[in-house]
Amino acid sequence: QSVLTQPPSASGTPGQRLIISCSGSNSNIGSNDVNWYQQVPGTVPKLLIFISDHRASGVPGRFSGSKSGVSASLAISGLQSEDEADYYCASWDDSLNGVVFGGGTKLTVL
Amino acid sequence: QVRLVQSGGGAVQPGRSLRLSCIASGFTFKNFALHWVRQAPGKGLQWVALISSDGMNKYYSDSVRGRFTISRDNSNNTLFLQMTRLTLEDTAMYYCTRGEVVPAFGWGQGTLVTVSS
Repeated sequence: QSVLTQPPSASGTPGQRLIISCSGSNSNIGSNDVNWYQQVPGTVPKLLIFISDHRASGVPGRFSGSKSGVSASLAISGLQSEDEADYYCASWDDSLNGVVFGGGTKLTVL
Repeated sequence: QVRLVQSGGGAVQPGRSLRLSCIASGFTFKNFALHWVRQAPGKGLQWVALISSDGMNKYYSDSVRGRFTISRDNSNNTLFLQMTRLTLEDTAMYYCTRGEVVPAFGWGQGTLVTVSS
């Protein structure tokens, strides 16, 4: 069971806007920034969002991140077929003194 | 650009040891903290360990603390993960990655560690 909670799956149609949530606690998201990663199965994870709301270089503007309280969100607007992948959130946890990941969300584009 | 090239994976019996290496280029190695992250087959990402830029501070996940040791050689731009007392649950793809607090920019290609009798 992951310290950060993500929905195991999400789906949407091309062009749709979709949000993936990441829920934590005061010791992680509540007091630290969040990174988001995209992983197409069989490939290396790729950084999408860092420091909660900064897009990594080369990441389309369709991807955006936000954080409020003990939760963070990844929004994907104008969903495209190539966005089908697994998405993970991660943050530092002050109580565990280490990095914690969400369990991942498998995104399907219908 | 940031490049991390891994080596050292393979198949090993339970209880044995293995050392992973990660050679970096494209950035000033000694200035950046580094992580190891792993992914068991069909599972999600799991953080393993973090080492500060100067190698003085090290952090481990509960699942590997006391068995794994993260280290670095700033003279040769190399990150290591010494794994001892390996168990079946350590079977995973292991990635080295750069990041001051949380894994961020630059990931190695991954190296597979299979623990099996």
